[in-house]
Amino acid sequence: NAGVTQTPKFQVLKTGQSMTLQCAQDMNHEYMSWYRQDPGMGLRLIHYSVGAGITDQGEVPNGYNVSRSTTEDFPLRLLSAAPSQTSVYFCASSPDGPNYGYTFGSGTRLTVV
Amino acid sequence: GENVEQHPSTLSVQEGDSAVIKCTYSDSASNYFPWYKQELGKRPQLIIDIRSNVGEKKDQRIAVTLNKTAKHFSLHITETQPEDSAVYFCAAAPQGGSEKLVFGKGTKLTVNP
Repeated sequence: NAGVTQTPKFQVLKTGQSMTLQCAQDMNHEYMSWYRQDPGMGLRLIHYSVGAGITDQGEVPNGYNVSRSTTEDFPLRLLSAAPSQTSVYFCASSPDGPNYGYTFGSGTRLTVV
Repeated sequence: GENVEQHPSTLSVQEGDSAVIKCTYSDSASNYFPWYKQELGKRPQLIIDIRSNVGEKKDQRIAVTLNKTAKHFSLHITETQPEDSAVYFCAAAPQGGSEKLVFGKGTKLTVNP
């Protein structure tokens, strides 16, 4: 098993550009989520999904969209990038909700200039 | 919603000493408390977790204790080694209704040889 795969690993965007961060897992996990990590702020939840076709907002959803058309994939879309979205983004999955251990992807380091 | 406070933000110990990191949570309905270790430039990895029906759990040199009455839980690392140096995150997951895992802001542990 590859676990949770995130692409790209690094990305530089100009303000106003859009892009999609990819996340895929091959463990048949129902629950997937996106976090952003900023210095001194810990891990903050952006969006999550409890299964295909179901998504919901986390703590910091503004400026981001998600969709979950399959169990395996959970892409995160930045609509119009802003410097405040400069961060490290982690995708995580678990078998059945947040009450089980997460498997994290390797992260995407995004810089918005 | 749930709020998780973590202390201290930085901790420096000598090799062989013990390290203790403490977290408090606000939602009495929380019932799952994992700890994650994140080495520099790497993804967070689950090291131990505890559920609300258990007061203490051990795994070799690490242990977690939970006090539901006081709404706090702690990570204990004994006989610390340089490879224990990392950022440690606690988290709490409320049961039912809110499918979210909330993280503390992290503790940077440095083990000096």
